[in-house]
Amino acid sequence: QQPVQSPQAVILREGEDAVINCSSSKALYSVHWYRQKHGEAPVFLMILLKGGEQKGHEKISASFNEKKQQSSLYLTASQLSYSGTYFCGPIKAAGNKLTFGGGTRVLVKP
Amino acid sequence: GAGVSQTPSNKVTEKGKYVELRCDPISGHTALYWYRQSLGQGPEFLIYFQGTGAADDSGLPNDRFFAVRPEGSVSTLKIQRTERGDSAVYLCASSITGELFFGEGSRLTVL
Repeated sequence: QQPVQSPQAVILREGEDAVINCSSSKALYSVHWYRQKHGEAPVFLMILLKGGEQKGHEKISASFNEKKQQSSLYLTASQLSYSGTYFCGPIKAAGNKLTFGGGTRVLVKP
Repeated sequence: GAGVSQTPSNKVTEKGKYVELRCDPISGHTALYWYRQSLGQGPEFLIYFQGTGAADDSGLPNDRFFAVRPEGSVSTLKIQRTERGDSAVYLCASSITGELFFGEGSRLTVL
């Protein structure tokens, strides 16, 4: 079953912050986050494993709450290069397939 | 190779024809995924290989779709009797440590 991402789209000014949420109806083992720019392939950002850990990539960080079956991606002090569509990909158990959410389209304006 | 290579990058075919899409993963990557992506949508899971065997093919939409990975490296996605609804970008990704590395995709257009 596909995870649910919110919001579907967000427009930011350079330097502003945003949060993208990813929820699953099933228990999770890990969550992946990817970013896809228009006309390009998705690019890996980070993986979060069970344990409520947080990770960072540039000024992009994420958290994973396995009890709530959700993950959040935090865009801090956004840059123009952060524009793109962000996808979460939860995995239910080790070795299982990775399915993606519908994506959150982010546009950062000068 | 340095990255995941997919061929052809573009394929235009007529309804009812047979199509093969090829994926050459990063050398040494044991896991290989196929996804399909329509405009404005997230990648839709099709099939996942670990080595030569299909670990999960639950995403293949029907029996017109088939994929193989005979030697645990290159994979071919085969689509029989193509339909207009099969038009999409077909993405391949490979992995060894969990993170997926995607190819640039094969854009399939069925007229």
